[in-house]
Amino acid sequence: QVQLQESGPGLVKPSETLSLTCTVSSGSINKSFWSWIRQSPGKGLEWIAYIFSNGDTTYNTSLKSRVTISIDTSKNQFSLKVYSVTAADTAVYYCARHAGEAVGYGIDFWGQGTTVIVS
Amino acid sequence: SYGLTQPPSVSVAPGETAQIPCEGDNLHRRGVHWYKQRPGQAPVLVVRYTTDRPSGIPERFSGSDSGSTATLTITRVEADDEADYSCQVWDSDSDQVVFGGGTRLTVL
Repeated sequence: QVQLQESGPGLVKPSETLSLTCTVSSGSINKSFWSWIRQSPGKGLEWIAYIFSNGDTTYNTSLKSRVTISIDTSKNQFSLKVYSVTAADTAVYYCARHAGEAVGYGIDFWGQGTTVIVS
Repeated sequence: SYGLTQPPSVSVAPGETAQIPCEGDNLHRRGVHWYKQRPGQAPVLVVRYTTDRPSGIPERFSGSDSGSTATLTITRVEADDEADYSCQVWDSDSDQVVFGGGTRLTVL
């Protein structure tokens, strides 16, 4: 079954850019929707953005001005950049796949999550 | 923006039935997905499209909806069910993926 693995720095300085990559294995990145989701300490899940394998993107309106999601199908990877980070961006960041070929389907595969601390 | 509301906590004794509500406008017209998340772990999809149970999920987990409220029901609750449960929809009007705030299920 599909496996997702996040990678990137665990510590980012305020005002700098947070960059994460999700590597998809045991399955193709094509014809699926892929999301980044985060969870601040003690808080609920917050969706950040999604991307389809053709490169179409949609962002959380509250984060849109500071976030970019991209995909590299040749590497079976998709990525997230969060600009001008503050302590409020400290969270566990998950990459995930939406089931089927529609974003409205449930999220059936998740990465293990990576902790990013802004300090 | 579209929002989903869940109670912060629900408590239930072992063997009893737990019901976790999720409220949102016109929720009955949307597919509601439910996730179980243990501390330090990634969420797991336990109910999709309001009532459908993915393979491998026990029959004790079920979903329903009525008007503006979707409900995750767990029958014959076990200690292993203790976790955070979150509901989620895709709001097609705004093209946003939305999560509820999550409910901590405590097994007494």
